[in-house]
Amino acid sequence: QQQVKQSPQSLIVQKGGISIINCAYENTAFDYFPWYQQFPGKGPALLIAIRPDVSEKKEGRFTISFNKSAKQFSLHIMDSQPGDSATYFCAASYAGGTSYGKLTFGQGTILTVHP
Amino acid sequence: DAGVIQSPRHEVTEMGQEVTLRCKPISGHDYLFWYRQTMMRGLELLIYFNNNVPIDDSGMPEDRFSAKMPNASFSTLKIQPSEPRDSAVYFCASSGPGQGARGYTFGSGTRLTVV
Repeated sequence: QQQVKQSPQSLIVQKGGISIINCAYENTAFDYFPWYQQFPGKGPALLIAIRPDVSEKKEGRFTISFNKSAKQFSLHIMDSQPGDSATYFCAASYAGGTSYGKLTFGQGTILTVHP
Repeated sequence: DAGVIQSPRHEVTEMGQEVTLRCKPISGHDYLFWYRQTMMRGLELLIYFNNNVPIDDSGMPEDRFSAKMPNASFSTLKIQPSEPRDSAVYFCASSGPGQGARGYTFGSGTRLTVV
């Protein structure tokens, strides 16, 4: 299964709050799990990524938590700011055969941070 | 580097017309990907190239879609004849040698409207 399921579809948080977006996958061959951020009128841009041999990765206010046994991973945005308002996509890939380089994306989460 | 450059940014065409979308990848990148983004289906991989050779076109929806990469600095995605259901944002992305899914840079996309 190539599918990556993402939730929620939309999220509204207050400034300073924590935003949490969740993703689940089926294919245990996936070995790379990035999160992308997309602003209106722009292409997605890599935000942070993790490999399955690590349970957590933090970069500034952004943290990925990874649960290999549950086949789930999540993005946490601490101290959310209005400038974080964007669409967030989780994705997954594996390096086998013709799948090398292919990213399978979740459906996306529209995050709105109110001032 | 100017990043991945797509043209046009917006395209409005009538049903039945031929549409050509263009992409210039980042210099030195050897992978090029075409994605389509819609509200219903999210980001879908249409086709990707490695060293100008199509590797996987299983995502191309039907024979009306074709893609070429005549050289390392240029790719086209053509729809002939176009239909209203082709309306979407089409993204091109490139990735450098050895980077695969870890090195994606997306262009800003072409918003296609077929009326």
